[in-house]
Amino acid sequence: EVQLVETGGGSIQPGGSLRLSCAASGFTVSDNYMIWVRQAPGKGLEWVSIIYAGGPTYYADSVKGRFIISRDNSKNTLYLQMNNLRAEDTAVYYCVLSYLTSPPQLAYWGQGTLVTVSS
Amino acid sequence: HSVLTQPPSVSAAPGQKVTISCSGSSSNIGDNSVSWYQQLPGTAPKLLIYDNNKRPSGIPDRFSGSKSGTSATLDITGLQTGDEADYYCGTWDSSLSVGGVFGGGTKLTVL
Repeated sequence: EVQLVETGGGSIQPGGSLRLSCAASGFTVSDNYMIWVRQAPGKGLEWVSIIYAGGPTYYADSVKGRFIISRDNSKNTLYLQMNNLRAEDTAVYYCVLSYLTSPPQLAYWGQGTLVTVSS
Repeated sequence: HSVLTQPPSVSAAPGQKVTISCSGSSSNIGDNSVSWYQQLPGTAPKLLIYDNNKRPSGIPDRFSGSKSGTSATLDITGLQTGDEADYYCGTWDSSLSVGGVFGGGTKLTVL
């Protein structure tokens, strides 16, 4: 059974850093497409970043240069390093496993972790 | 505003049918498969439809999807009160750096 458990959210001041983790079970992170999606309070869904099985990574323009997606194959865990956080980064962050399709389609979602950026 | 356009809200009575539209362009829906997601209140989104019209295991056939040109639709028949949720369409857009894109979401109310 596929399981995705996000941790690492919390309250942080603008300009600060946080690292989100997504512990995966039931599949191998490195063999799949993994995505971070966020949802600001009361708002819709937004793609943040994707890491492909082969390693390439891509980011939304709103986070490019500030966020880094990565994975630890030995721990079967996905990460999102978030630097220079802004108030507009406040959101629930979801870790998502995609089908190996073109384009990626978001098959399994974690429960989400809330990040609040505020002074 | 979202690249994909959905109506903010739709409503219908239990047992009825509702259709949710998702309008895009040639760089997204026109060239890629569409998926649909259901988000029940206070929960994470769940995949409802992928590849325009396929249902993952466990999704009832009351939910169906279709695509034509640069638009897609989600049909829900035999509405139940438990279907009250936000529904999002999603696809790929070659003009975006990250690629993936969602519609703004549609709130379904079952009267």
